[in-house]
Amino acid sequence: QVQLQESGPGLMKPSETLSLTCIVSGGAISSDYWSWIRQPPGKGLEWIGSIYYTESTNYNPSLKSRVTISVDTSKNQFSLKLTSVTAADTAVYFCARGGSHTHFDSWGQGTLVTVSS
Amino acid sequence: QSVLTQPPSASGTPGQRVTISCSGTRSNIGSNYVYWYQQLPGTAPKLLIYRNNQRPSGVPDRFSGSKSGTSASLAISGLRSEDEADYYCAAWDDSLSGPVFGGGTKLTVL
Repeated sequence: QVQLQESGPGLMKPSETLSLTCIVSGGAISSDYWSWIRQPPGKGLEWIGSIYYTESTNYNPSLKSRVTISVDTSKNQFSLKLTSVTAADTAVYFCARGGSHTHFDSWGQGTLVTVSS
Repeated sequence: QSVLTQPPSASGTPGQRVTISCSGTRSNIGSNYVYWYQQLPGTAPKLLIYRNNQRPSGVPDRFSGSKSGTSASLAISGLRSEDEADYYCAAWDDSLSGPVFGGGTKLTVL
């Protein structure tokens, strides 16, 4: 059973670049789509973007100008970079398997990122 | 504001059957599969229903999904206290070229 684990900073300042990594274990990353999804405190889920192991990406248009998702098949992990963060980017960030016309069937536990001056 | 529309709350007593609706448009629910996720407090979402009405292994048959036109529903029969959670619908959106979610429905077991 595939497992995902996010890692990254818990606290950031406005205008900084958020960097998160998701380590995949129990399965090969080179066999599926992988995604980042976030959830502001007390609010719903928002898809950020997805990547295939071939490095083909697809981003939410509302975030596209600030988002980069990359994959490292040698380390079985994929990453998220979000530039110029503001308080509105404060959320729990989840990584998940899936993302292209299909469901998210495995999720990481999520990591809270707080943007505050 | 979420692309898919769900009621913010629902409730029922143990043993009851409750339904949660999810409304969309032709570009999402109307032309793609619907998925449902259950999120227990403080945890990650868990896939509950995929391809409109299919249950992953381990999901009790008390949970069922259906779709008609641009709307979908999740039904939970034999309600149990452990079903108290937030429920989200999702679907691929052809206009967005990505998945969209409902705003979530908080289910309370009275």
